[in-house]
Parts: sequence; C-alpha cells; structure tokens
Amino acid sequence: QVQLVQSGAEVKKPGASVRVSCKASGFPFTDYPFHWVRQAPGQSLEWMGWINVGIATTKYSPRFQGRVTITGDTSASTAYMELSSLTSEDTAVYFCARQRRTDGNLEHWGQGTLVTVSS
Amino acid sequence: DIQLTQSPSFLSASVGDRVTITCRASQAISNYLAWFQQKSGEAPKLLIYAASSLQTGVPSRFSGSGSGTDFTLSISTLQPEDFATYYCQQVHSYPRTFGQGTKVEV
Repeated sequence: QVQLVQSGAEVKKPGASVRVSCKASGFPFTDYPFHWVRQAPGQSLEWMGWINVGIATTKYSPRFQGRVTITGDTSASTAYMELSSLTSEDTAVYFCARQRRTDGNLEHWGQGTLVTVSS
Repeated sequence: DIQLTQSPSFLSASVGDRVTITCRASQAISNYLAWFQQKSGEAPKLLIYAASSLQTGVPSRFSGSGSGTDFTLSISTLQPEDFATYYCQQVHSYPRTFGQGTKVEV
C-alpha cells in the first residue's frame, strides 16, 4: 500500500538549515509529483513547493523562493525538503504529500515532521 | 496569489446536525477546489476533489458543491468522528493556497 514515511523531529537554532526526508513505498516513485506543506502551531496549511522527479521539475512558492530546495533520490525513493536561514517563524510541522497523477490533488500524506527553531 | 476565505472559522454542532462550510476564492477557479479534514496531531485527509467528487472511501454524508468563486462542504448528519478542522485548497494555479480552516466542535 502507499506509504510516505517522514524523518523525525528536529530542533534547530536560528540561522541554521533543516532537511526533512519523505520515503515513499508501494508505488513507482518517479511516476508521481510530491508536495511539501507546512503548518505552524494553531495555524492553517501553507504550500511550499513540489517536485516531479520523473521530469526533473520543481516549483516553489514565492514566499519561500531562495530558501527552500526540494530534491528527490530515485535510488532511495525519497523526497527531501531543505529550508535554510531558519527563524522562529519556521517552527512548524512539515508534511510531504503525493499528488495524484490525474489531477493536482494531494491524495496521500506523510505523518508530518515537527521542526522547532529555538535559540 | 488566490486567496481562499472560509466561513465560519468555528462551528458548534451536535451529533446528527447538518453542517455547511463555505469557501470563497478571490478569483474564479472553475471547479479546481478540494476539501480536507484534519484531526489533531494528524495529517490532512482528502475528502472532496474537483469541488464535488467524493474521494474513495469517504462516507457519503460528505458532499461538496460550487464553481467559480463560491464553494460549500456539507456534512448531512454529523457523526462523532467528524469533529475536526476542515480546509479548502485551490488547485487551479500556483502557488497552491489553503483556506484558514473551519473547526467543527461540540
């Protein structure tokens, strides 16, 4: 069955970078785009960007452009999201999600990874 | 960016009630709208896509409607497991955006 398993919680200092992984199983990794969405405590969901490893394409939200890098490792069936220049406002749960091939909808989600930015 | 405004932000209801949540887009998005349910500490779950199509496995008490800028999510007979926060998301254009959420509580 489709599974997206994310890496564990992280604590980072302001100014640092964080990389969160999302290991996919149960389907061909290169056949589907992967999105990253974050949720600050008590807040709504915020879309960060996506990658289609099969066609080597990424797209980022302008809000994170220049600070976020989304990559994929086909040999490991894993997508990664790296966010740099962290501030306390980046404290959030970060989710990966698989987009359905037929439309833009996010059908399967990882369990989420809490990233805490604190001095 | 396309702004999505949900109303209400909080909704008090009882088991058995009919519940309706609205989502208004800042510009026309045809039917490129999805609805998600999120319970505390969990990932969002896709309920409705293309404004009115029920995701596989989602109970038929959930329904969606609308097109253009105005959309609704309805729960016909609220069940105990439906107390959660609901979000709309537009998949019309980038950046993808979400509504601010509607918390359905007892």
